Amino acid sequence: EVQLVESGGGLVQPGGSLRLSCAASGFTFTNYAMSWVRQAPGEGLEWVSGISGSGGSTYYADAVKGRFTISRDNSKNTLYLQMNSLRTEDTAVFYCAKKPVGRYSSSLWYFDLWGRGTLVTVSS
Amino acid sequence: QPVLTQSSSASASLGSSVKLTCTLSSGHSNYIIAWHQQQPGKAPQYLMKLEGSGSYNKGSGVPDRFSGSSSGADRYLTISNLQFEDEADYYCETWDSDAHVVFGGGTKLTVL
Repeated sequence: EVQLVESGGGLVQPGGSLRLSCAASGFTFTNYAMSWVRQAPGEGLEWVSGISGSGGSTYYADAVKGRFTISRDNSKNTLYLQMNSLRTEDTAVFYCAKKPVGRYSSSLWYFDLWGRGTLVTVSS
Repeated sequence: QPVLTQSSSASASLGSSVKLTCTLSSGHSNYIIAWHQQQPGKAPQYLMKLEGSGSYNKGSGVPDRFSGSSSGADRYLTISNLQFEDEADYYCETWDSDAHVVFGGGTKLTVL
């Protein structure tokens, strides 16, 4: 079965750090770019970061640039998001999502598979 | 960077049809978008990719009741024979030349 399973969420204090993981199965992980998307309580979807299939190219939203780092281990079929200097406004459900191609394509850069999400709460 | 505009809410009766709109900002009317459905308490699910020509490609398992179309800067998602399980938030998505992804604000669909 093709699926993405996130883990690593939890409660963290402002200024703290957390690392999220996303385990992929059912497809050849290295062939596809991946992203993290978050959703604050009661709000819409917000793209956070993306990475090419090889891991050689990374992309970040301005809101997290310099604080978050996306990476992947293709030998473990796992995507990561290292989150540092967390703020209360980072509280959200974080989803990992797959793209149908390995590197940037102007016609194929949408998400075709989503994980179930993991909740990150930043609070003192 | 493109901006996507969606109505915040829509409603339609069980068994009827509804057409949701996603509008691309000026200068981006030829952009491809994707539609996603998020049922209450669940993760988003990919519905389809939709081009400016109106050509669309649906995800695996998406019912035939879901279709897409385009007109200028507007991208439409039409749901026919509405079912209660179609009550959900619907998001459109696009991307810019720097590989940054943009979402519309979402439309909350109520099935009466």
